[in-house]
Amino acid sequence: QKEVEQDPGPLSVPEGAIVSLNCTYSNSAFQYFMWYRQYSRKGPELLMYTYSSGNKEDGRFTAQVDKSSKYISLFIRDSQPSDSATYLCAMRVRAGNMLTFGGGTRLMVKP
Amino acid sequence: NAGVTQTPKFRILKIGQSMTLQCAQDMNHNYMYWYRQDPGMGLKLIYYSVGAGITDKGEVPNGYNVSRSTTEDFPLRLELAAPSQTSVYFCASSYQTGMTSGAYNEQFFGPGTRLTVL
Repeated sequence: QKEVEQDPGPLSVPEGAIVSLNCTYSNSAFQYFMWYRQYSRKGPELLMYTYSSGNKEDGRFTAQVDKSSKYISLFIRDSQPSDSATYLCAMRVRAGNMLTFGGGTRLMVKP
Repeated sequence: NAGVTQTPKFRILKIGQSMTLQCAQDMNHNYMYWYRQDPGMGLKLIYYSVGAGITDKGEVPNGYNVSRSTTEDFPLRLELAAPSQTSVYFCASSYQTGMTSGAYNEQFFGPGTRLTVL
């Protein structure tokens, strides 16, 4: 079993839809939860991160963490074709150097 | 600032050849990392460095070597390339004040090097 599981997709939605991307994990020591966006043939870039449980909102993006279920989500409202990319979740223990990544979900937003 | 730069962008190697992937950053970050990304597998940490002269193994270090003689540069060496090393390699950097601080400091990634070993 992988430490962090993520549905690979692809997930295809029409422009304007609400998108839900999810990851599950097994290590209860993870405290930092990140979402990276990766465009084709580019390096990942950080979208958002949350510490411990709760929600965090940034514009059209909302990150949620449910530590009791070991489940994190990224919601994208009013999705745009420019949101088409691979979304990677990543996690880290409180004081550590290593990020553990999910395999990524490929999202396609069609005009 | 150029951020994190990587060279080359693409490379094809024959089995048994060696090469060095170059990585440089101009953000004065103390931490640098090398990852590999295989299709559907996310990124896996190969090696990382917390400062010049200090390196440590990540999750998948076998077949690779690193050195960090300056703050800016963190080359990754492949000796005796094997088909299993076919992957996309990403270098990243971050600024961290200490392991026990608990703060998350964003890792900035380079554009990647696509390596094929035939």
